[in-house]
Amino acid sequence: NAGVTQTPKFRVLKTGQSMTLLCAQDMNHEYMYWYRQDPGMGLRLIHYSVGEGTTAKGEVPDGYNVSRLKKQNFLLGLESAAPSQTSVYFCASSYFPRLAVPTDTQYFGPGTRLTVL
Amino acid sequence: AQTVTQSQPEMSVQEAETVTLSCTYDTSESDYYLFWYKQPPSRQMILVIRQEAYKQQNATENRFSVNFQKAAKSFSLKISDSQLGDAAMYFCAYRRGGGSNYKLTFGKGTLLTVNP
Repeated sequence: NAGVTQTPKFRVLKTGQSMTLLCAQDMNHEYMYWYRQDPGMGLRLIHYSVGEGTTAKGEVPDGYNVSRLKKQNFLLGLESAAPSQTSVYFCASSYFPRLAVPTDTQYFGPGTRLTVL
Repeated sequence: AQTVTQSQPEMSVQEAETVTLSCTYDTSESDYYLFWYKQPPSRQMILVIRQEAYKQQNATENRFSVNFQKAAKSFSLKISDSQLGDAAMYFCAYRRGGGSNYKLTFGKGTLLTVNP
């Protein structure tokens, strides 16, 4: 199993450009998440999804959109990139809580370093 | 709102020795989970150890153990017999319990250096 993969690993954008970050997981997890990591800030939740076709806002959703058309994929979109969105972006996934399955351990991807000039 | 505080921005330890990383948290919930994640230079977040709040016994995973003090809202990580590969940023994280509670709240991290 590849676990959680993210594409691309690095990207440089100009202000106003758009892009999509792709997250894929092969563990059949119901929940998926997008975080951003900034220096001295820890990780902050941008958006999350509790299942195919559903998305919800996290802690810092402004300027981002997401889609979960397939259970294994979670896309993060920036419609008009701003320098404040320069960050490292992490995708994670986890099982839906149920008695026989470990519930809340999140599995993280390797991250995408995005720079907006 | 829940908060997680890591008061040590940086720590260092000699190889083969023991180091303890501190974490405190603030919550009014009684059902929750606590985690330590490791982030090496590769940037990938790796789960180190997990503690359920309802369990009194401290979690251990090989050389890693925690000291969970629920009343004091403290959750420290002890690394024994430190190895060069333990050098990384360590994040403490909190998650509320319950079926649909998903959100991890992270501390700002502690950068651990292991000296040979």
